[in-house]
Amino acid sequence: AQTVTQSQPEMSVQEAETVTLSCTYDTSESDYYLFWYKQPPSRQMILVIRQEAYKQQNATENRFSVNFQKAAKSFSLKISDSQLGDAAMYFCAYRRGSGGYQKVTFGTGTKLQVIP
Amino acid sequence: DGGITQSPKYLFRKEGQNVTLSCEQNLNHDAMYWYRQDPGQGLRLIYYSQIVNDFQKGDIAEGYSVSREKKESFPLTVTSAQKNPTAFYLCASSIGLGGRRTEAFFGQGTRLTVV
Repeated sequence: AQTVTQSQPEMSVQEAETVTLSCTYDTSESDYYLFWYKQPPSRQMILVIRQEAYKQQNATENRFSVNFQKAAKSFSLKISDSQLGDAAMYFCAYRRGSGGYQKVTFGTGTKLQVIP
Repeated sequence: DGGITQSPKYLFRKEGQNVTLSCEQNLNHDAMYWYRQDPGQGLRLIYYSQIVNDFQKGDIAEGYSVSREKKESFPLTVTSAQKNPTAFYLCASSIGLGGRRTEAFFGQGTRLTVV
């Protein structure tokens, strides 16, 4: 079974600084997708960034980028120039790419605090 | 606007009652999911469905039931067999098999409290 592990329950960052959130996963599949979701206090889940396992290039979305290490099964999220609006829970998620049932598995989340 | 609608936003249940949480999507997605969120435990999968009239148990299906009679709808019933139902429930959908944009889109959630 696939598992997703986020080992940092809470983190903090100074406004305008950079922070990296960690995520590791376990799978025997070769075709899969990885995601980072943000959940602000409103509790609405928002997709931050997506990475296809077959792509070697790390995904980037404005101030958000990932460091995808397929061999190490690591998928960290880097937030640059942190803003107060970045304060939220961040969840790492996994989905197999093909074949069988494609459920989405989430980690336990990292609560990010942004300090003005 | 396309999206996922969960209702109600807040729900109170008495001990021993069954309650049904509604989830409707107009995104034309094949796959739909129900997650339960408790503090410190992230999102845990209750049930998921990849196609109409088919659904699979997730990691914590005991005490819950679902149906998928229409593509747009995936209601979740919390039965009296669920011993600790107080939680935040999230419904999600995704394109499903064959789609390259495979991210899940979420509803606003339902907060269920047992009184």
